[in-house]
Amino acid sequence: DIQMTQSPSAMSASVGDRVTITCRASQGISNYLAWFQQKPGKVPKRLIYAASSLQSGVPSRFSGSGSGTEFTLTINSLQPEDFATYYCLQHNSYPRTFGQGTKVEIK
Amino acid sequence: QVQLQESGPGLVKPSETLSLTCTVSGGSISSYYWSWIRQPAGKGLEWIGRIYTSGSTNYNPALKSRVTMSVDTSKNQVSLKLSSVTAADTAVYYCARDGAAYGDYAVDAFDIWGQGTMATVSS
Repeated sequence: DIQMTQSPSAMSASVGDRVTITCRASQGISNYLAWFQQKPGKVPKRLIYAASSLQSGVPSRFSGSGSGTEFTLTINSLQPEDFATYYCLQHNSYPRTFGQGTKVEIK
Repeated sequence: QVQLQESGPGLVKPSETLSLTCTVSGGSISSYYWSWIRQPAGKGLEWIGRIYTSGSTNYNPALKSRVTMSVDTSKNQVSLKLSSVTAADTAVYYCARDGAAYGDYAVDAFDIWGQGTMATVSS
């Protein structure tokens, strides 16, 4: 199985901050990586697909980068509605595997 | 727009089989892959497996011996059966669209999710 190591597992940030979350794959996955946002009691929402493509309707302050084994989700100018848990997902090989999640909390 | 809705009994007894259905509305299930994912309370997401509309499947090895997925194109539904359940299988179960068989697969991979259905294993 490909292990997806997400860091940090939790962080505190303020409104307006720039936030960076990293996902490292245990082996190369090309660009078959997606990022999701999940709020408590809600369904995961896809933010980024193909590592760097912004999902339609998602604010442009969200961006993704990377290829191979190292990937980054960046949130520029964090907004109150961005406090949530973020997950990466590799869908290059089976089984599909998620990162363990990053909880972004209000400082 | 395409919507997914999971359904199934909320309570299952230990050692029995959990059966869930995902109904797709607003579009055809044909030519797409469909995945099941679960999430225990307060924990992360776990991919269970996926099925194509031809019936071909890929399962998570951790669950493979207990998982069966099927598709009913006439009803626009995909189904999940998980046998010999224990309390560890208690979770919210989601179905999600897992990409198109033709064209750029990644564009539609995990873009649409159902609302999820809670399944509790308890006697």
